[in-house]
Amino acid sequence: NAGVMQNPRHLVRRRGQEARLRCSPMKGHSHVYWYRQLPEEGLKFMVYLQKENIIDESGMPKERFSAEFPKEGPSILRIQQVVRGDSAAYFCASSPSDKGYTFGSGTRLTVV
Amino acid sequence: AQSVTQPDIHITVSEGASLELRCNYSYGATPYLFWYVQSPGQGLQLLLKYFSGDTLVQGIKGFEAEFKRSQSSFNLRKPSVHWSDAAEYFCAVGAGNFNKFYFGSGTKLNVKP
Repeated sequence: NAGVMQNPRHLVRRRGQEARLRCSPMKGHSHVYWYRQLPEEGLKFMVYLQKENIIDESGMPKERFSAEFPKEGPSILRIQQVVRGDSAAYFCASSPSDKGYTFGSGTRLTVV
Repeated sequence: AQSVTQPDIHITVSEGASLELRCNYSYGATPYLFWYVQSPGQGLQLLLKYFSGDTLVQGIKGFEAEFKRSQSSFNLRKPSVHWSDAAEYFCAVGAGNFNKFYFGSGTKLNVKP
C-alpha cells in the first residue's frame, strides 16, 4: 500500500507563472489536507477536502490559491501568478476518516 | 486561540545522553497531541500521539511523551539518543476531529558523537 504520493518533489516557477501541486492520498483515504511550511517555520494548515468538497479552507490565502479533490484523480493545489513569498514546502496528508494523518514527502516550490 | 509553542529552536546533545524536547499548547477543549519528526528534505513521520487515557505514551524509535494537563505540556523524551535521531521535531495539537492541526515551529536536534 503506497503512502501519500506528492508530485513533483521539486518545482521551480518564474514569478507570474502557475504552480500545480498534486497529491494522491493513500488507498481508501477520502480526506485530504494541505499544509504549507515556510523556511524555518512549522507547518500551517491551508485546506481540508473530501471528495468533490472543500470542508475547511480557513488557511488558504484569499487570492491566487485554490484546491480541489475531484471524484477521480489526485487532489490539486493550484497557485496562480506565483510570487517569491510562495516559495515553501507544501505537504499533503490524507486520512481514512477523522483520526490520524499520513503525510506525503512534500513538494518544494521555488519561485525565481 | 489554539497554539503550540516549542521554546527550544536548537538543541545539541551528545550521543548516548538523554533528551527532552519541550512542547506547550493552548487549546480550549481536550487536546489530541502529536509529535512528528522530519529529516532534511523529507516529509513528517509520526512518532507518537495522545488521545486519552494513560498520560505517558510510548512511540516509535524509543521515544515517549508525557501529557501534563496542569502544565499544558506534552514533552518528548528519549533516555539515550542515537546519532540517527538528528532531525527536526514538531509538536502538534489536533483541533476538533483532527481536521486541522496546529504545529509548533519545531526544534532542531543535533547529536554530537
